[in-house]
Amino acid sequence: QKEVEQDPGPLSVPEGAIVSLNCTYSNSAFQYFMWYRQYSRKGPELLMYTYSSGNKEDGRFTAQVDKSSKYISLFIRDSQPSDSATYLCAMSGPGNTGKLIFGQGTTLQVKP
Amino acid sequence: DAGVTQSPTHLIKTRGQQVTLRCSPKSGHDTVSWYQQALGQGPQFIFQYYEEEERQRGNFPDRFSGHQFPNYSSELNVNALLLGDSALYLCASSRETSFSYNEQFFGPGTRLTVL
Repeated sequence: QKEVEQDPGPLSVPEGAIVSLNCTYSNSAFQYFMWYRQYSRKGPELLMYTYSSGNKEDGRFTAQVDKSSKYISLFIRDSQPSDSATYLCAMSGPGNTGKLIFGQGTTLQVKP
Repeated sequence: DAGVTQSPTHLIKTRGQQVTLRCSPKSGHDTVSWYQQALGQGPQFIFQYYEEEERQRGNFPDRFSGHQFPNYSSELNVNALLLGDSALYLCASSRETSFSYNEQFFGPGTRLTVL
């Protein structure tokens, strides 16, 4: 079993839709939870990070962490065609070890 | 600020050969991590360098080795290449601080194809 599980999709939605992306994990020692966006032929770029449980909002993006269920989510409101990319969840811990454990990534397509 | 840069962009090698990939970290960063991303998969941690020492290592064989130079740039070396080493190799840099979270910035990667 992988430490981090993420549905690879692909996920296709119409422009303006609310998108929900999710990951589950097995290692209860994880403390930092990140979402990266990766466009084709590019390196991942950090969208948001959360420490421990809770919610975090940044513009159209909301990240949620539920440590009791070992489940994290990223919500994208008012999705745009420019949001079409692969979304990777990543985790680290205990402490800020620098070693990131990634999910497989979910490919998202937002159709105009 | 050029961000994290990697060279070369693409590389084609044959089985059994050796390869060296290079990474220059973002300005002000002193820590470099390397990841391997196979097609359709998430990146996998290879190792991390700080103060010219390998600080952490993932589940990769000794064929994978690295180096960090005094200017914080880094190299990843892979010996005795296998077909399964074909992947995108990503370098990420960060700045070691006393804060609890050190964001890693990724480069565009080097696409390695082993024939």
